[in-house]
Amino acid sequence: AAGVIQSPRHLIKEKRETATLKCYPIPRHDTVYWYQQGPGQDPQFLISFYEKMQSDKGSIPDRFSAQQFSDYHSELNMSSLELGDSALYFCASSQGRGYEQYFGPGTRLTVT
Amino acid sequence: KQEVTQIPAALSVPEGENLVLNCSFTDSAIYNLQWFRQDPGKGLTSLLLIQSSQREQTSGRLNASLDKSSGRSTLYIAASQPGDSATYLCAVRPHQAGTALIFGKGTTLSVSS
Repeated sequence: AAGVIQSPRHLIKEKRETATLKCYPIPRHDTVYWYQQGPGQDPQFLISFYEKMQSDKGSIPDRFSAQQFSDYHSELNMSSLELGDSALYFCASSQGRGYEQYFGPGTRLTVT
Repeated sequence: KQEVTQIPAALSVPEGENLVLNCSFTDSAIYNLQWFRQDPGKGLTSLLLIQSSQREQTSGRLNASLDKSSGRSTLYIAASQPGDSATYLCAVRPHQAGTALIFGKGTTLSVSS
């Protein structure tokens, strides 16, 4: 069965650079979520989209922005990167907002 | 504000033992609860989803229960195996918060052969 696809899987950036993370949801899933998991931490919700509109917003820094495109894939744009942004970034998708969330393998971002 | 707590933080058991992982949440007004497994540095694998109207769900050797009124869920693992070694995360979807999952910090399980 198709799963959530995230790219890239690993990314190394320097401070103050920008990064773009991509997420391709499971086919026919219309809702995408982004989570950030710092080292030794639990995942923290950043933002979600339903039918290409922002649905819910969590602890997403103003330096980050995201959107969902017409084909339902989503991109998380991160600017002015800081050392503290180093984390695993997960994308999840579901078929509707209230349904089970399926997580991708994550993108490991390292900021040096 | 909804908070999710998992006890214990770590657990070591010999192979074959049955075990219970605990999850508690402060606000009983939840939409559903999910249990996940995470291997070190890897993604989250959904194990079981319990809707707020359900009492339990079963999948293979796993059984999850939900007592919404007391703010508790348990994950029962029967006949544990070394391959069960991982971190188990509990997450609730608060009814009023919409779509976001709120995670506990997890229980790291080690099963020795």
